[in-house]
Amino acid sequence: EAQVTQNPRYLITVTGKKLTVTCSQNMNHEYMSWYRQDPGLGLRQIYYSMNVEVTDKGDVPEGYKVSRKEKRNFPLILESPSPNQTSLYFCASSPTSPGGQPQHFGDGTRLSIL
Amino acid sequence: AQSVSQHNHHVILSEAASLELGCNYSYGGTVNLFWYVQYPGQHLQLLLKYFSGDPLVKGIKGFEAEFIKSKFSFNLRKPSVQWSDTAEYFCAVRLSSNTGKLIFGQGTTLQVKP
Repeated sequence: EAQVTQNPRYLITVTGKKLTVTCSQNMNHEYMSWYRQDPGLGLRQIYYSMNVEVTDKGDVPEGYKVSRKEKRNFPLILESPSPNQTSLYFCASSPTSPGGQPQHFGDGTRLSIL
Repeated sequence: AQSVSQHNHHVILSEAASLELGCNYSYGGTVNLFWYVQYPGQHLQLLLKYFSGDPLVKGIKGFEAEFIKSKFSFNLRKPSVQWSDTAEYFCAVRLSSNTGKLIFGQGTTLQVKP
């Protein structure tokens, strides 16, 4: 089954404690992206990756890091989480051509930073 | 800065009523346009997309959207809504064919009363 898998689905943690949210897709997609969803703000893109070892900033990259060492995985790293990063996070992937529009979303990760 | 604006934040309709959700973007260059739907408790799904050609595009579940370039708009329509259309709807814009950057609107919550 084609899917985008995020882990964990829920996490409550404390300010400053490094965390990683994993994202894996089994569709051999080249494009992957991370979004955060906040009430009244819709989805905002954090980072995206057009291919392995190619990443770029979205609209709200501050406080986040990503890496794309292999095609299937695109982890989101919060080096020093802060309460304003409490949000619902979605990973998405799609084939590249004609340019990466997300069509497959993961089920989301709800992060609470205390 | 580029932005996407959805005018209606919360829409309440009765079943069989017609639906039109507004979406405007601020960018003068080439754009690709999308509408996504998020049913309660689920991740986003692509409803329809416009890349080029006929400005009236048809998507899944009886939805359609019209791209009006002169108005920078991409409004979503459905002639007769059903209770199962209750969801949040997001308009999104990709600014050029060479980037993976995607900008979402704030979202419109549609509630359909049976």
